[in-house]
Amino acid sequence: AQSVSQHNHHVILSEAASLELGCNYSYGGTVNLFWYVQYPGQHLQLLLKYFSGDPLVKGIKGFEAEFIKSKFSFNLRKPSVQWSDTAEYFCAVNMRFGAGTRLTVKP
Amino acid sequence: NAGVMQNPRHLVRRRGQEARLRCSPMKGHSHVYWYRQLPEEGLKFMVYLQKENIIDESGMPKERFSAEFPKEGPSILRIQQVVRGDSAAYFCASSGNSGAISETQYFGPGTRLLVL
Repeated sequence: AQSVSQHNHHVILSEAASLELGCNYSYGGTVNLFWYVQYPGQHLQLLLKYFSGDPLVKGIKGFEAEFIKSKFSFNLRKPSVQWSDTAEYFCAVNMRFGAGTRLTVKP
Repeated sequence: NAGVMQNPRHLVRRRGQEARLRCSPMKGHSHVYWYRQLPEEGLKFMVYLQKENIIDESGMPKERFSAEFPKEGPSILRIQQVVRGDSAAYFCASSGNSGAISETQYFGPGTRLLVL
């Protein structure tokens, strides 16, 4: 069965700290990988996606993610977070979403 | 270019009533996806539709739930005889005409359904 796991439910960081949000999946076919973000009071929007090519993907607002096929992972990273990154982050594989990780950045 | 629109934004129903949720995709998009988000849970895929076709309904509950995307007009998610457990946020997304899974989905603001 297909599944997407986001192990961190709530992450709290101070500004300028580095961020890594985990995403693991279970799926036997071709995978298309996405990270979406939902800022407070706003719609979900795409941060970045991977479907082929360079496994290190750069997205908007300084985010990046690395597809590691052998680990079935697609972790999201940002070297230095800002208060404005406070949001909920969702990993998706094809049309399956993880439970989300709420990120709170303290000023 | 208008984004994905959903209405109503909030819907209150009593147990046993019907709920109809509407989704108008972005202009030029012909693929629509419905998701449900229960409190403290992630998005659960429900159904993927193309105009006049259901492509994948593997996430739809077997009873009381149905979805359509007619040739003209919005996509409709219909829940018959609602129960308290149907209370959730229902999100619609649309994507471009290729229908490829690698296409970005654009999300609407959601409909919050409350069943009393």
